[in-house]
Amino acid sequence: GAVVSQHPSRVICKSGTSVKIECRSLDFQATTMFWYRQFPKQSLMLMATSNEGSKATYEQGVEKDKFLINHASLTLSTLTVTSAHPEDSSFYICSARWGLRGELFFGEGSRLTVL
Amino acid sequence: EDQVTQSPEALRLQEGESSSLNCSYTVSGLRGLFWYRQDPGKGPEFLFTLYSAGEEKEKERLKATLTKKESFLHITAPKPEDSATYLCAVQGAQKLVFGQGTRLTINP
Repeated sequence: GAVVSQHPSRVICKSGTSVKIECRSLDFQATTMFWYRQFPKQSLMLMATSNEGSKATYEQGVEKDKFLINHASLTLSTLTVTSAHPEDSSFYICSARWGLRGELFFGEGSRLTVL
Repeated sequence: EDQVTQSPEALRLQEGESSSLNCSYTVSGLRGLFWYRQDPGKGPEFLFTLYSAGEEKEKERLKATLTKKESFLHITAPKPEDSATYLCAVQGAQKLVFGQGTRLTINP
């Protein structure tokens, strides 16, 4: 099956700094990737859809200036959390569709802790 | 609005004790129902996709079934390593919607 990889798996940063999370499709090209956020014991919430070569589409309530998404190539999308605050601490997961039926495969997730 | 409800929220079983997890959904134009397994601190792992009522899929001790209103994930003779959160998601015309998940614990 498809493989989606995220890096870093864990990151700790100080309040006010920016953090970048990378999402790569390892054995296929993904024109579209998805970024999710998950709070403890809650389900996944879609934050934005990342489109290769164009602007990302953000879900209602997600600040696009705070969560910058760049999809510069067919295998890489990045999520940058700008001016991070403790309330941004969460588990961020990316995903991409693969195969004829477009099944969704997820990365390993990135745990962000803002001090 | 598309909705997905999973039950129970949590389930504890003894090793070997078979059971079923439920995923009830309302969606306009079902394009697929997905089951994922998620271990703590990890991303969801794809298990099954079901596309039409009556469809069934199996993988080891797991079997997923689909009707027009719900899906079941049957687990037969579970082992402790089957402990995880199981997520159900439905793809409608607009977007993929996830349920809250069922936290399954298998005691040895």
